[in-house]
Amino acid sequence: QVQLQESGPGLVKPSGTLSLTCAVSGGSISSSNWWSWVRQPPGKGLEWIGEIYHSGSTNYNPSLKSRVTISVDKSKNQFSLKLSSVTAADTAVYYCARDGVTYNWFDPWGQGTLVTVSS
Amino acid sequence: SSELTQDPAVSVALGQTVRITCQGDSLRSYYASWYQQKPGQAPVLVIYGKNNRPSGIPDRFSGSSSGNTASLTITGAQAEDEADYYCNSRDSSGKVFGGGTKLTVL
Repeated sequence: QVQLQESGPGLVKPSGTLSLTCAVSGGSISSSNWWSWVRQPPGKGLEWIGEIYHSGSTNYNPSLKSRVTISVDKSKNQFSLKLSSVTAADTAVYYCARDGVTYNWFDPWGQGTLVTVSS
Repeated sequence: SSELTQDPAVSVALGQTVRITCQGDSLRSYYASWYQQKPGQAPVLVIYGKNNRPSGIPDRFSGSSSGNTASLTITGAQAEDEADYYCNSRDSSGKVFGGGTKLTVL
């Protein structure tokens, strides 16, 4: 049973860089799946941030592409998110999730971690 | 990127059937997946592909698609089905979510 767990600072200063890690357990990050980050501002809907394959190939949401970097560490079975030049609008619960192979889906999801952008 | 449009809110009487829809051009090419999210919890996948349910999802949840519209149907809605529901699809840029539908079970 694959499980995902996000970790990282809960508070980031404006103009700083948000950094989160998603640890994968119960399965290998080198499987045939892609791995995604999704965020949800308080009281709002879900927004796909981007995805990575174990080879290092990535796809990003065009609206965030200039500020996002997703990387993978196969030795630690984890992948990471960096979002630069953050503002209050980046305050959200950040989730990591496994992508489907044949069909488009996200399952499972991590529990999510709230990141607040504030001075 | 493409957009997926959902009705913001839908209500259903206990035990009745409700359909939640999702519209978008990308749905002409890709199947939608559907997620249930309860307050303070991570989303849970309920439907993917043509009409597939992950293990543990009750068979009262079903999916369908026609043209640019995907639908999630709950047949015999239960009190525990009250939640936010999101559709998701691929598009030319990657992935996209609908704005979500808040389902109230009366």
